[in-house]
Order: sequence, then C-alpha cells, then structure tokens
Amino acid sequence: DIVLTQSPGTLSLSPGERATLSCRASQRVSSSHLAWYQQKPGQAPRLLIYAASSRATGIPDRFSGSGSGTDFTLTITRLEPEDFAVYSCQQYGNSPWTFGRGTKVEIK
Amino acid sequence: QVQLQESGPGLVKPSETLSLTCAVSGYSISSGYYWGWIRQSPGQGLEWIGSISQSGSTYYSPSLRSRVTISLDTSKNQFSVKLSSVTAADTAVYYCASSFDTMTPVDYWGQGTLVTVSS
Repeated sequence: DIVLTQSPGTLSLSPGERATLSCRASQRVSSSHLAWYQQKPGQAPRLLIYAASSRATGIPDRFSGSGSGTDFTLTITRLEPEDFAVYSCQQYGNSPWTFGRGTKVEIK
Repeated sequence: QVQLQESGPGLVKPSETLSLTCAVSGYSISSGYYWGWIRQSPGQGLEWIGSISQSGSTYYSPSLRSRVTISLDTSKNQFSVKLSSVTAADTAVYYCASSFDTMTPVDYWGQGTLVTVSS
C-alpha cells in the first residue's frame, strides 16, 4: 500500500496568511492521481484538488495544488476564516486507495 | 446533484456483522459511477473500505477483504456494506461515497454515520 505522510500535523496561522501543506508518498503516485480534501468538524470531506493541481468545481483560486511523483503540496494563499479545517491528501492511482492522516490548520 | 444518505444501526456488538445502507438520490446507480464506503476512526485518518461499479464489480481493501461485502440494490437505488466479525477497532464514522471510476477521486459523500462496536 502507498503510505501518505502529511506534514505538519498542525499549522497555526492567522487569517490572511499563507498556508503550505505537504503530502509525501512512500512510492510514486501514478499519473499524479493525488487529491486534497477539506474537512470541518462533524462534516464529510469536500474535494478541493484532483490530479495534483486541478481545482474541483466551485473551489476558490486561493487553493492550489502542485507536485508529482512522491511530493505534493497544497497551498492556500490567503487564509479566510472558513479555511480553518483539516486537510487530507489521497492517492487514487493505486489500489488500495489511501489517505494521509491530515493537517489541521488552526487559528493562531 | 447526487446526494447520498447512510442509514443503519449505530451500535453493534463485538463479533457481529455491521450493516449499513446508502440511499442515493439525484442519479440512478445503474447508470454509472462507482459506489463505495470509507471510514474514519476517532481521531484517525480516512480508510477506504471498498467500492462497487454499476455493473456489480467489487473492489475491496486487502486489509478488510475477508470480512467485507458491498452490494447494489438497483430497485431501491441504494447500495450496502456488510462487515463481519467486528471488534472495537471497527468503531468509526462510516461514509458512503461515489467516484466516476476507480481512478478518480471521491466527488460525492454522505454525511457519515457513527457506528460503535461495544457490548
């Protein structure tokens, strides 16, 4: 199975600041089949980014994804109050699908 | 807009079988898409359980394959998961989910339902 390691575990930032989240895979993720999800307490995850860098429908352009191979990054350029949440990466290029354990972005 | 809604017991005894159903609205499950289950243990990351295609082909996580069955009920436009011989480690929020195929991310999620395994 491909293990996804996310760092940091928690990111403490203020609104307006830039957030940079990392997702590292234990082996190459085929065809950049890497997604990012946002999850707020008591809610289901919401797809933000797919294919490593494509924004899902309705996702603001302050969210961007980059990377390939084994190293991927989610960047939020200017944090809005509604962006404080847990972000998880997922690889869907190899079975079984696997997820990272998440990065919590909290208000500093 | 595709909407998914889980239902089933919130409490299951150890060694018994966990059974959940996902009702789908806004789309006919026999028309396409893959329908699956993902769980999240308290304080843990997400774990894919398995998926089923509209034609009934199933794909399971190797770690759960011996205990899990996913099935479709096209007459009711719903799909189900059964997980046998449960233990406390199976306590989690269970989400039903859908993706266009096995090589695309999840684009629709149910709200999730907490299942606790306890005597």
